[in-house]
Amino acid sequence: GAVVSQHPSRVICKSGTSVKIECRSLDFQATTMFWYRQFPKKSLMLMATSNEGSKATYEQGVEKDKFLINHASLTLSTLTVTSAHPEDSSFYICSARDLAGSYEQYFGPGTRLTVT
Amino acid sequence: GEDVEQSLFLSVREGDSSVINCTYTDSSSTYLYWYKQEPGAGLQLLTYIFSNMDMKQDQRLTVLLNKKDKHLSLRIADTQTGDSAIYFCAEKAGNTGKLIFGQGTTLQVKP
Repeated sequence: GAVVSQHPSRVICKSGTSVKIECRSLDFQATTMFWYRQFPKKSLMLMATSNEGSKATYEQGVEKDKFLINHASLTLSTLTVTSAHPEDSSFYICSARDLAGSYEQYFGPGTRLTVT
Repeated sequence: GEDVEQSLFLSVREGDSSVINCTYTDSSSTYLYWYKQEPGAGLQLLTYIFSNMDMKQDQRLTVLLNKKDKHLSLRIADTQTGDSAIYFCAEKAGNTGKLIFGQGTTLQVKP
């Protein structure tokens, strides 16, 4: 089946620094990628949808200047958490869809971000 | 609006059947999904059902959809300790195509 990887799997950074998380589709071309945030014992919250070569569409309440998303190629999307603060600590999960209108999203393994 | 609700916890004994329930509000949903998340990991798609189907069976998994009541269930037959995880119900919203997730049901399987 389709595989999506994320890197890093776990990162600890100091408050005020920026962190980049990569999401890659390994064996298919992802026309659309999604970024989710998951708080402990909570559901996944969609943060933004990114389409290759165009600007990401952010969900209401998500700061686009804080969470920079770049979908530069059909196999890579990046999420940069700028000027991170402890409240940004969370589990970030990406997913990818290979065709427009496809029923399935393939999820990455997630990245645990801890901001100290 | 779109909303998906699940019970938060279910405990069963190994070998029993587990039934996890979910309700949703978007009557225009096209697909409904069940995902499994093990500790510290991403989501694994277990099964899905198209909105014009009533039932889908895949080995130990049976999905029932009552579209009139907007109720979805996942039955796991012969539950094993390896089935212990969080199970998320999700709908694909008809107008936006986005996935809307429930809160997740923690399944605990006791030996």
